[in-house]
Amino acid sequence: KAGVTQTPRYLIKTRGQQVTLSCSPISGHRSVSWYQQTPGQGLQFLFEYFSETQRNKGNFPGRFSGRQFSNSRSEMNVSTLELGDSALYLCASSFRTSGSGYTDTQYFGPGTRLTVL
Amino acid sequence: GENVEQHPSTLSVQEGDSAVIKCTYSDSASNYFPWYKQELGKGPQLIIDIRSNVGEKKDQRIAVTLNKTAKHFSLHITETQPEDSAVYFCAASKPAGNTPLVFGKGTRLSVIA
Repeated sequence: KAGVTQTPRYLIKTRGQQVTLSCSPISGHRSVSWYQQTPGQGLQFLFEYFSETQRNKGNFPGRFSGRQFSNSRSEMNVSTLELGDSALYLCASSFRTSGSGYTDTQYFGPGTRLTVL
Repeated sequence: GENVEQHPSTLSVQEGDSAVIKCTYSDSASNYFPWYKQELGKGPQLIIDIRSNVGEKKDQRIAVTLNKTAKHFSLHITETQPEDSAVYFCAASKPAGNTPLVFGKGTRLSVIA
């Protein structure tokens, strides 16, 4: 079974630009979560999508948004990029949503390394 | 909300020795505790997890113990090998309320040959 895939793997943008990252979950998984990883803050939860609906959101500004398509693929968008947005963006998929009453194992993709200049 | 603290932040061991990484959590309602290993340039990979209805789980050289009363859990790696060198993350989650995984800050393990 193929794992979680993320594209692109690397991105370089300048301040003020916007960026879209893509995530394809493991086949059959309907929940996709996004995390930001930085050396200082570690792994921080951005949001979770299940069945095309945002189920949970972390403490990030509105410049960070996402969506999920009917095939469970997900995209996240960051508008008006700031230097502090430089990070590894990780996507994780699981079968059930975090709101199902049972915590499913999350499987991570390789991440997209975003550098903002 | 949930807070997970992880210690130590760095750990160096000789090949063949054991390594122990400890995490504490704050929310007594948490009941799922996974451990992830992250190698350079890769995403975190689940290595073992434990749920609150068990106190210990083992998979070959890796074991996790959970003390719900004290709200801490630990990862034990025996007979360490150079390929065990990586960053290890613990996390905690509770089943209700759409709560996400909350991660510790990570432990960089170096196994010296």
